[in-house]
Amino acid sequence: DVVMTQTPPSLSVAIGQSVSISCKSSQSLVYSDGKTYLHWLLQSPGQSPKLLIYQVSNLGSGVPDRFSGTGSQKDFTLKISRVEAEDLGVYYCVQATHFPNTFGAGTKLELK
Amino acid sequence: QVKLQQSGAELVKPGASVKLSCKTSGYTFSTSYMSWFKQIPGQSIEWIGMIYAGDGGTGYNQKFKGKATLTVDTSSSTAYMDLSSLTTEDSAVYFCATWFAYWGQGTLVTVSS
Repeated sequence: DVVMTQTPPSLSVAIGQSVSISCKSSQSLVYSDGKTYLHWLLQSPGQSPKLLIYQVSNLGSGVPDRFSGTGSQKDFTLKISRVEAEDLGVYYCVQATHFPNTFGAGTKLELK
Repeated sequence: QVKLQQSGAELVKPGASVKLSCKTSGYTFSTSYMSWFKQIPGQSIEWIGMIYAGDGGTGYNQKFKGKATLTVDTSSSTAYMDLSSLTTEDSAVYFCATWFAYWGQGTLVTVSS
């Protein structure tokens, strides 16, 4: 199975600060169709996950442009500019290129 | 709008089976894929498998083969997951989701005698 390594495991931030989360995969996530199926999700406390970014860098529906995704092959980053209170929760990267789909362990974003 | 409504919490005894449902609306169910996930509270998420509603074709995480069986009823736009031979290790919240974009609210399954 593809191992997804997320860092850091937790972040303590002040409102308005910018942060980055790293996600590295044990194999390239480029599929045979040329696309890279690496997505980012946010799970707020007690909620279902919400899609933030799909295929590395595309914003999910209704997601503010404070969120951005970059990366390629095996190395990916989620950046949140100007953190707001509603951004708190656990962020997951997930790869859907290979079977089985696998998730990172998560990064918990907390208020400083 | 797209909605995925999952069935309610279950308390089941070890060795029993349970069938979870995920009723959808707001999109074309019959030409879509549905994935199922397991999350033990406080832990990350595991992908169980997926089913294509068009023909019932399935793909499973090897870890869940024999444990989970995915089916669909296109007449009611509902996806189902059967979990068999339950143990305490199957206690978790189970989610259905389509395209990672739309998620059900989750069903808590508690396995306890």
